[in-house]
Amino acid sequence: GAVVSQHPSWVICKSGTSVKIECRSLDFQATTMFWYRQFPKQSLMLMATSNEGSKATYEQGVEKDKFLINHASLTLSTLTVTSAHPEDSSFYICSARGLGGDGTEQYFGPGTRLTVT
Amino acid sequence: AQSVTQLDSQVPVFEEAPVELRCNYSSSVSVYLFWYVQYPNQGLQLLLKYLSGSTLVKGINGFEAEFNKSQTSFHLRKPSVHISDTAEYFCAVRRFGNEKLTFGTGTRLTIIP
Repeated sequence: GAVVSQHPSWVICKSGTSVKIECRSLDFQATTMFWYRQFPKQSLMLMATSNEGSKATYEQGVEKDKFLINHASLTLSTLTVTSAHPEDSSFYICSARGLGGDGTEQYFGPGTRLTVT
Repeated sequence: AQSVTQLDSQVPVFEEAPVELRCNYSSSVSVYLFWYVQYPNQGLQLLLKYLSGSTLVKGINGFEAEFNKSQTSFHLRKPSVHISDTAEYFCAVRRFGNEKLTFGTGTRLTIIP
């Protein structure tokens, strides 16, 4: 149980275009989803937290107009990188927290590698 | 705010030898502690977590960690490593009542045959 998927697993896009990444909780309802960015050989940096049906809360320094997050249902959140540039190339990972358990655990997706050319 | 320090960026260990990956944290309030493993090109998988109670926590794949409040540490150990343990290991903390996870910079564990 507690499986989180991401699609696509990798994507290459041209500079100036937009890319949408999906994050799905397959076997549980995710009240909260998180989006992280990971640079090569570095740690995960939280970009934003989203709760179903409400606006995402962005971390300081993250451009909300560039990284659009939508959490329209309890099983799906999307991250859209708008007008992508080479510096946006990174590994994007989502995680989800459900209603059950002790409420502390986040389940992570396998990540999406974005390359902007 | 809280922070996590993983002093060792890389740890090479011979197969079947023991290993300890160090993690120290800083926080003005009580925290939950986690260790995650990341295999190449994959997301993170929870190894173990400390919420309360016994300071020695056992996780998956034979790993364990000990919470030391006085030293603000949460070191990860395994008595005998296997080739399949080659991965990146991240320590993370989360404040009580806050959903945000703060990660360390990770330790790359390389197992030498």
